[in-house]
Amino acid sequence: DAGVIQSPRHEVTEMGQEVTLRCKPISGHNSLFWYRQTMMRGLELLIYFNNNVPIDDSGMPEDRFSAKMPNASFSTLKIQPSEPRDSAVYFCASSWAGQGDGYTFGSGTRLTVV
Amino acid sequence: AQTVTQSQPEMSVQEAETVTLSCTYDTSENNYYLFWYKQPPSRQMILVIRQEAYKQQNATENRFSVNFQKAAKSFSLKISDSQLGDTAMYFCAFTFRTGANNLFFGTGTRLTVIP
Repeated sequence: DAGVIQSPRHEVTEMGQEVTLRCKPISGHNSLFWYRQTMMRGLELLIYFNNNVPIDDSGMPEDRFSAKMPNASFSTLKIQPSEPRDSAVYFCASSWAGQGDGYTFGSGTRLTVV
Repeated sequence: AQTVTQSQPEMSVQEAETVTLSCTYDTSENNYYLFWYKQPPSRQMILVIRQEAYKQQNATENRFSVNFQKAAKSFSLKISDSQLGDTAMYFCAFTFRTGANNLFFGTGTRLTVIP
């Protein structure tokens, strides 16, 4: 298995533009998580899905953020419009719920909004 | 609410020596899992070791071992024979055994291995 695949690895965009981050979880995993990492706040859970259904989106900062999981093999995190304070590393992770095996993380997307 | 506390923002250790990273957590649950993740400069999050709360035996993975004290809600990571490649941020994390399985992370400890 290629692991959790995120794209792009780096994204630089101008304030006000729409940004879409993509994630392909490990085949067979039924839980998917989006995290944001910054120096100030550390690792923050934004949203997670079980069996493609959003379970908890309380960590999504505001309405500018949205996430979808149309099928078991793909998820997106969209920011519209983007702002400089959204600059961070965004991680996607997947797991098999209830097995306690921990997450497998993707390599992250470093987003810079200028 | 579940919290995970790592009280050592930074630590350093001489190559080949042993270092222990501290972690405490707070939960009212009895069944859960604990993890240590490593994040090297490449930023990839790597699972180092996991512990099941219902097992008293401390987990071990090669040079990495934990000291799990359930009553004290303590979960420290010991790295033996430290290597330069161990230089990284280390995060302690917690998840429930049943129900919601999102991970709660500590703020991390930055470990530097000195040659």
